[in-house]
Amino acid sequence: QSALTQPASVSGSPGQSITISCTGASSDIGDYNYVSWYQQHPGKAPKLIIYDVSDRPSGVSNRFSGSKSGDTASLTISGLQAEDEADYYCSSYTSGTTRLFGGGTKLTVL
Amino acid sequence: QVQLQESGPGLVKPSQTLSLTCSVFGDSISSGIYYWSWIRQRPGKGLEWIGYIYNSGSTFYNPSLKSRVTISGDTSKNQFSLRLSSVTAADTAVYYCARENDNIYFDYWGQGNMVTVSS
Repeated sequence: QSALTQPASVSGSPGQSITISCTGASSDIGDYNYVSWYQQHPGKAPKLIIYDVSDRPSGVSNRFSGSKSGDTASLTISGLQAEDEADYYCSSYTSGTTRLFGGGTKLTVL
Repeated sequence: QVQLQESGPGLVKPSQTLSLTCSVFGDSISSGIYYWSWIRQRPGKGLEWIGYIYNSGSTFYNPSLKSRVTISGDTSKNQFSLRLSSVTAADTAVYYCARENDNIYFDYWGQGNMVTVSS
């Protein structure tokens, strides 16, 4: 199974909003609401920021939000801050019980 | 607070078996609630799910790695382990252990263990 498709990079200025897309197929994102998003700073382990498409773990800023339409999930970060500069990965459950990750998106805060 | 910690060699020779252990603190791998997973990240690349162990015995692996992977658990030490056989340079990566929730998301991660495959 191929990885989920994410843009390689996105950028935005402080205070702006950005959206990162994650495109899969009917056998993963399209069929299940088990989409999660992770933030990874250089040299660090990934950190869960969104689960079940749009839920936030305790302690994660409400500037992070998730959604899904068809086979595509999206992560929106509003009110960009310098500390948001990181790599972001989506993940989804797939038919056949495996788990897929996206290729990752590098967010640059200008 | 749940914590996971990987341990193992940082260098493995080609064709040999990579072995890593994940020690779990603050939770029990035999609770039957969570899946205990291994995930890797090749240099400069994205994340790749390797497989999980559930309830200390049931396992499931990524089909692309299934023929070379074994995940096992040691309840007496509250640890689970990864063995990846016949490694090549393509297996060079940071290997993470993680706790997976029933809704298929990874809520706790280890700090990662860099493994280089080289002679």
